[in-house]
Amino acid sequence: NAGVMQNPRHLVRRRGQEARLRCSPMKGHSHVYWYRQLPEEGLKFMVYLQKENIIDESGMPKERFSAEFPKEGPSILRIQQVVRGDSAAYFCASSPSGSSGNTIYFGEGSWLTVV
Amino acid sequence: DQQVKQNSPSLSVQEGRISILNCDYTNSMFDYFLWYKKYPAEGPTFLISISSIKDKNEDGRFTVFLNKSAKHLSLHIVPSQPGDSAVYFCAASTNAGNNRKLIWGLGTSLGVNP
Repeated sequence: NAGVMQNPRHLVRRRGQEARLRCSPMKGHSHVYWYRQLPEEGLKFMVYLQKENIIDESGMPKERFSAEFPKEGPSILRIQQVVRGDSAAYFCASSPSGSSGNTIYFGEGSWLTVV
Repeated sequence: DQQVKQNSPSLSVQEGRISILNCDYTNSMFDYFLWYKKYPAEGPTFLISISSIKDKNEDGRFTVFLNKSAKHLSLHIVPSQPGDSAVYFCAASTNAGNNRKLIWGLGTSLGVNP
């Protein structure tokens, strides 16, 4: 029973390039969350998605960042024209549908370094 | 404005003794609280949770206590083991509108000395 799978684990991009981070939720989970941890800071909520729907994107920067969770395939967090300040650990999490308590399970993270 | 506060950045305890990690919150609408453990370069791992209708939840060596009037919760680990050395995060959420956004504290780094 695989957990939340994220790839790549480590990604290096030059300023101005695009970064794509992928997340496959746990089997049977239809809710996906993305969190970001900047150096020396705590985890910050970015976006909450269900299949084909963005439920809450209040933590997403207004520009350059987008997320999707298509009907088929993994959730994608996309960062266009990356800047050095985007360097961070990006964590994906998932939870089952329905009222099962608000426990969510995390992947191992994707570390983005912008050079 | 930090709605979930972990005021101790670090804690050191002796193996076999009790570890007590504290968390305070300001939003009275929070109705579900969770503790996660995180090792370096890994994702947070769920430990234990508690609903606001309870004041205690126990799972093996881990017990979480909730004091709603004080807006305070604590995680007790007993006996502490060297493998417990990690950063512990407290998180809280409301279920309003089916939004399960978690609000996180900044974490407490626990070191358990053999």
